Amino acid sequence: QQQVKQSPQSLIVQKGGISIINCAYENTAFDYFPWYQQFPGKGPALLIAIRPDVSEKKEGRFTISFNKSAKQFSLHIMDSQPGDSATYFCAATLQTGANNLFFGTGTRLTVIP
Amino acid sequence: ETGVTQTPRHLVMGMTNKKSLKCEQHLGHNAMYWYKQSAKKPLELMFVYNFKEQTENNSVPSRFSPECPNSSHLFLHLHTLQPEDSALYLCASSQGPAEQPQHFGDGTRLSIL
Repeated sequence: QQQVKQSPQSLIVQKGGISIINCAYENTAFDYFPWYQQFPGKGPALLIAIRPDVSEKKEGRFTISFNKSAKQFSLHIMDSQPGDSATYFCAATLQTGANNLFFGTGTRLTVIP
Repeated sequence: ETGVTQTPRHLVMGMTNKKSLKCEQHLGHNAMYWYKQSAKKPLELMFVYNFKEQTENNSVPSRFSPECPNSSHLFLHLHTLQPEDSALYLCASSQGPAEQPQHFGDGTRLSIL
């Protein structure tokens, strides 16, 4: 069973628009929810992360919204730029034991000028 | 520069060959990981090492053999691979086994003929 489900698979947004990527998780014990950004030919890089004691975290144009009761979290990219075109992965983990990161399947974002 | 270096970046091998992937981290971390990234699938955790000791093996076939001689270096030895093993293999590290974030290398693109 997939622990983290991510949608949409791909997303096309106009420059200046808002990109929204959604994730849902299964395990209520998860306590750390990162988003990774991956450019072609590169490894994933941590973009922003949230813990379940807050409902929102903002860093520049990137915001995570977290809904603990619905077991959902989302990434919002404000004022999307062509340089944001990449694949985005949500993930979840329980910060004890083996530190397994459970990843979503990724969203390929294309921002058109 | 992510602090995690993987070599080679690309590898083509036949099913009967033996090759090794190398990962080196320059971050002073104590935990290292191997992941497999296939198209349209979540990143799959393969192995976890904490202070050179293997702490996780996610039911990976024995044709993949990891080695961690010290906290800075991680190898993945490959032998008699199958075509379905073609993928991007990513190495990551973190400060400790239960600490985030994980820092990823840029991966080795492996193609099995």
